Amino acid sequence: GAGVSQSPRYKVAKRGQDVALRCDPISGHVSLFWYQQALGQGPEFLTYFQNEAQLDKSGLPSDRFFAERPEGSVSTLKIQRTQQEDSAVYLCASSLEPKTTLHFGNGTRLTVT
Amino acid sequence: ILNVEQSPQSLHVQEGDSTNFTCSFPSSNFYALHWYRWETAKSPEALFVMTLNGDEKKKGRISATLNTKEGYSYLYIKGSQPEDSATYLCAFLFTGGGNKLTFGTGTQLKVEL
Repeated sequence: GAGVSQSPRYKVAKRGQDVALRCDPISGHVSLFWYQQALGQGPEFLTYFQNEAQLDKSGLPSDRFFAERPEGSVSTLKIQRTQQEDSAVYLCASSLEPKTTLHFGNGTRLTVT
Repeated sequence: ILNVEQSPQSLHVQEGDSTNFTCSFPSSNFYALHWYRWETAKSPEALFVMTLNGDEKKKGRISATLNTKEGYSYLYIKGSQPEDSATYLCAFLFTGGGNKLTFGTGTQLKVEL
């Protein structure tokens, strides 16, 4: 079946622009995560959804970051007024149930110039 | 702040060599330890989910062990092949931490002919 799909694959934004990153998880997967991976680092947790409920947003680095999953399926990560330090790969992952194997998308590489 | 440490940071081996790397994590409040393989231009792929102290898991030429009392896991690759070249990530899940995985920075493996 289809895996986790993320779009766009690459995004270049000028500093100050808003961006929206999309994640289409595997159908039926309850849990959805967003991670940020900066160059040379491991993936850092941003936020977690169980169905449509955002249960943990402790990793969002500032109030410029916002995520939603309104119908418990597709999720969007929005970054307002992008800064250079937002340049990273943004990974989305889903799992059938909490605490089980994560299935990752290919990520969106965001470059802020 | 939880620290998940991986060593070495990078590794170059010859085809046919066997190799291993380490993941260290806090030994208290352990719930599960995940291993993922991330090939360039692809999405991270789950290798193992380990939950019990003393667990050993195997998938083809790759195996992993777990010691929750001392807080480490080893990943072994027997007879490395060029297609094993990837970044290997471990991730730790602890009780009381919700559902989020905390990742290490990864070990980058390059297998040369």
